[in-house]
Order: sequence, then structure tokens, then C-alpha cells
Amino acid sequence: QVQLVESGGGVVQPGRSLRLSCAASGFIFGKYDMHWLRQARGKGLEWVAVIWHDESTQYYADSVKGRFTISRDNSNNTLYLHMSRLRVDDTAVYFCARDFFPRVFDSWGQGTLVTVSS
Amino acid sequence: VMTQSPATLSVSPGERATLSCRASQYISNNLAWYQQKPGQAPRLLIYGASTRATGVPPRFSGSGSGTDFTLTISSLQSEDFAVYHCQQYANWPPWTFGQGTKVEVK
Repeated sequence: QVQLVESGGGVVQPGRSLRLSCAASGFIFGKYDMHWLRQARGKGLEWVAVIWHDESTQYYADSVKGRFTISRDNSNNTLYLHMSRLRVDDTAVYFCARDFFPRVFDSWGQGTLVTVSS
Repeated sequence: VMTQSPATLSVSPGERATLSCRASQYISNNLAWYQQKPGQAPRLLIYGASTRATGVPPRFSGSGSGTDFTLTISSLQSEDFAVYHCQQYANWPPWTFGQGTKVEVK
């Protein structure tokens, strides 16, 4: 079955960097576009970034543009989110999710918590 | 902007729950619903405004088009008490969500 497992979260100081990973299994990873989304405690869901299956295109939310980079390694079935210049308001649970036609999110990881605090 | 109402819905088990989602602009039927339980990831319930995702029980139904959408749970089961999110995918990026409706036990 489809499985997505995030890792790499933790506590980091404002201005520092962190890289999240999402290990995929149970499907042909290289055929799917993949997303990162996040959810601050007690808040709604916020889409963060997407990368096309062939790495040809990436889009970002305005709130992270220029600071976050999404990438993938199709040979190792892994999605990444490199986060730099982190801010306190980046504190959230970060989920990776698989894109499903027609552009909804049909499989999600369990999430990894990122806390930005001094 | 996606706006969900009410923020909290108190319903007794076995009763019907009706959740609303309104888009600030026309999105045709490009609307999905997700269920999220505490400490868990969201689960896709409905896409295309009314198509149930794989494995979703028929007590969940979606309707609407344009700007106004509804998720109906015909007879609430104990496992249905959760937060429900709507999401538009007509105009991306970004993909945007409502703020969620919490369905709680009355």
C-alpha cells in the first residue's frame, strides 16, 4: 500500500535551516507529482510547495518563496524540502502528500513537527 | 479564499451533519473534502465536489458547484467526529483550504 514517511523535523532557531525528507513506498514514485503542506497547531491546512514528477517544475506558496526549496530523488523514492531563513511562523507539522488527478491529495504522510524558536 | 461554516457543529450520533464551504470566486466543481482526526494526517473523502474517494462510505456525500458546496454525513458514526476541510483546485498555485469545521458530539 502507499506509504509516505516524513523525517527531519525538530527545534531550530530563527534564521537557521532544516531539511525535511519524505520516503515513499508502495507506488511508482517517479510517476507522481508531490507536494508539501503544513499545519500550525490548531490551524487549517496550508499548501507549501509542489514538484512535478519529472522535476521540471516547482511552485511555492508566497509565504515560503525564496526561502524553501522542494526537490526529489526518483531513484531513491524520496521527496525533500530544504527550508532556510526559518521564521517563528514557519512552526507547524509538515506533511508530504501525493498528487492525484485532478490535483487533490490522495495520500499523506503522518507529518513531522518543525518548531522555530529561540 | 475558501470559507467554511460553521466552525463547530455539534451533532448526536445517528443524526445528519451538513457542512458548508464557500469559494470567493467561481471554481466549477473543483472542490475536495478531507477528514482529519486528532494527531492524524488528513484523509481524502470527496473530489470533483461529489465523487467519493476509494473506500469512503456512502454516508458521505458532496454537492454543489460554482461557489457553494456542501458535505453531508447522513448518519453520524462515532468514527466520523473529526475536523473536515474543503480545498479548491480550480486555480492553482496555490491550492487553498478552508479553515475547517469541527464535528463534535452533542
